[in-house]
Amino acid sequence: SAVISQKPSRDICQRGTSLTIQCQVDSQVTMMFWYRQQPGQSLTLIATANQGSEATYESGFVIDKFPISRPNLTFSTLTVSNMSPEDSSIYLCSVLWTSGNHFPSQNPEQYFGPGTRLTVT
Amino acid sequence: GDSVTQMEGPVTLSEEAFLTINCTYTATGYPSLFWYVQYPGEGLQLLLKATKADDKGSNKGFEATYRKETTSFHLEKGSVQVSDSAVYFCALPMNRDDKIIFGKGTRLHILP
Repeated sequence: SAVISQKPSRDICQRGTSLTIQCQVDSQVTMMFWYRQQPGQSLTLIATANQGSEATYESGFVIDKFPISRPNLTFSTLTVSNMSPEDSSIYLCSVLWTSGNHFPSQNPEQYFGPGTRLTVT
Repeated sequence: GDSVTQMEGPVTLSEEAFLTINCTYTATGYPSLFWYVQYPGEGLQLLLKATKADDKGSNKGFEATYRKETTSFHLEKGSVQVSDSAVYFCALPMNRDDKIIFGKGTRLHILP
């Protein structure tokens, strides 16, 4: 398995500002994901971040609002830009951990960071 | 398309009660199935998994059996504890690109 840390763990931000969330993994991983979890809701995938390529965004999410960096195999950042109160959520990064060398893997598991709790006022 | 349906919560039980949280899925092929748990104020943790039909995943007293005939993966525990209070998510991977689909989550409250 992988150990994942996120910074900051929580923040309170003013509307119109931006926040960059960092995700650090203790092992090299190919695929990293960023999720949003709105209060009382399930997880919604924002984007997939692979090292060396542009992030792939899900429907409803755009790069201008959620720019992502993936400079190496152990690190990624997600920026929440021009924030509004509707962006108040928990943001989680996760990594894909595979038990084989297949792609797509036959038995993929995702491991999650502790999350960043964002409140926008 | 692929999907996961979980029973709605919240579920409130007394300590030592028997727990079942229902999960059914729709998928192409026979994917692995997962249960994740989210304790208050924390991220998600993988609780257990099953990789093929009739497999039983188990961890921390929880069990779930991969039922191909009923396309189900219900989570069970024989005697719950207050420390089991959390949100539980059923999940399955999308074969084509390793993304994971999560159910809506079931919040569990255990009363002492």
